[in-house]
Amino acid sequence: DADVTQTPRNRITKTGKRIMLECSQTKGHDRMYWYRQDPGLGLRLIYYSFDVKDINKGEISDGYSVSRQAQAKFSLSLESAIPNQTALYFCATNTANTGELFFGEGSRLTVL
Amino acid sequence: GNSVTQMEGPVTLSEEAFLTINCTYTATGYPSLFWYVQYPGEGLQLLLKATKADDKGSNKGFEATYRKETTSFHLEKGSVQVSDSAVYFCALSESGGYQKVTFGTGTKLQVIP
Repeated sequence: DADVTQTPRNRITKTGKRIMLECSQTKGHDRMYWYRQDPGLGLRLIYYSFDVKDINKGEISDGYSVSRQAQAKFSLSLESAIPNQTALYFCATNTANTGELFFGEGSRLTVL
Repeated sequence: GNSVTQMEGPVTLSEEAFLTINCTYTATGYPSLFWYVQYPGEGLQLLLKATKADDKGSNKGFEATYRKETTSFHLEKGSVQVSDSAVYFCALSESGGYQKVTFGTGTKLQVIP
């Protein structure tokens, strides 16, 4: 089983719908992140959390919200999806001792 | 702020060719440097890293040397294989504190038999 698991892996939705992407990890890491990948733009940070009571905005947080339900779970919500949020979303984890990130397999979201 | 610039792709090579993917960075302090690889349909995974100047990271035949004087961390492999076809991302991590990670835009490599 993957150490960082994302659900769903693929989702097609319509403009205005609420969408939640979920991430769970078995690595025991305290830090969790949500990134968005777009062609030619690399990865951009949406939100990050250093522990259950810590939530921080990244570069592109507008239109997104997150919830850290437990150390192992970090969910990303789009309250009212719009077409330019069509992208590949990645959850990642690490600890304070290393900069290396461990990624999930990604959630491909299409907003029509 | 920090930034990472890597050569644009796609890069197409024949099997057994020599690979170089250029990466330069701007950062304050002394960042750690990384190469991540993304195989089709998968998430990113760490390929190699270097944490201080003149360090050489290596893995799976790939190498990169942390060059502080030229602020570079170029990825090289002497003989590529079809299985190396993937997208490669250069990244840096700030030292201390938040350790924010900044990624380059990625370089797609296609190796043809």
